[in-house]
Amino acid sequence: EAGVAQSPRYKIIEKRQSVAFWCNPISGHATLYWYQQILGQGPKLLIQFQNNGVVDDSQLPKDRFSAERLKGVDSTLKIQPAKLEDSAVYLCASSDRLAGMKTQYFGPGTRLLVL
Amino acid sequence: RKEVEQDPGPFNVPEGATVAFNCTYSNSASQSFFWYRQDCRKEPKLLMSVYSSGNEDGRFTAQLNRASQYISLLIRDSKLSDSATYLCVVNEFGNEKLTFGTGTRLTIIP
Repeated sequence: EAGVAQSPRYKIIEKRQSVAFWCNPISGHATLYWYQQILGQGPKLLIQFQNNGVVDDSQLPKDRFSAERLKGVDSTLKIQPAKLEDSAVYLCASSDRLAGMKTQYFGPGTRLLVL
Repeated sequence: RKEVEQDPGPFNVPEGATVAFNCTYSNSASQSFFWYRQDCRKEPKLLMSVYSSGNEDGRFTAQLNRASQYISLLIRDSKLSDSATYLCVVNEFGNEKLTFGTGTRLTIIP
């Protein structure tokens, strides 16, 4: 079974630029999560989708971050404009309610460096 | 106070030794508990769930103390391949949100 796919794997941008990350969850997984992991910290949930609806975006900095999952499958996370403190690994995860919804499977992440 | 607190380490332990990690959580409504493992520059992966009665998976033993809001992970006969960061994770009753600790970094020394 294919895992969670993410692209790009690495991105370097200058502050105030825009960047977008893409995630393709495990086939059939209804729930999709985006996490931010700053170096030396655990992952922090940014947003959770159930199919194409947002379940929790309470920790998403909405002035600069946006995310969508229009068809309930792939998702994109955008940062516009980026700040230095956005340098982190952005992890996408998915889970299947029928299989035990609390087991989340993570993708390899996108490493973002903002200069 | 952080929702999930862990000693960040690093723990440098000789091969074959026993090592224990502790974790405390602040939300008494937390319902489910897990240990995830994260290798260097890799994504987190579920190591094991933590049950109220305590549970064992090979060389790994997890325990939960709800009264003290305390979770532990014990690794016996440690192997070089156990070198990783171990993340303590809690889930609040009624939602799917996972809250991660900062992780404890473990290095097994030959």
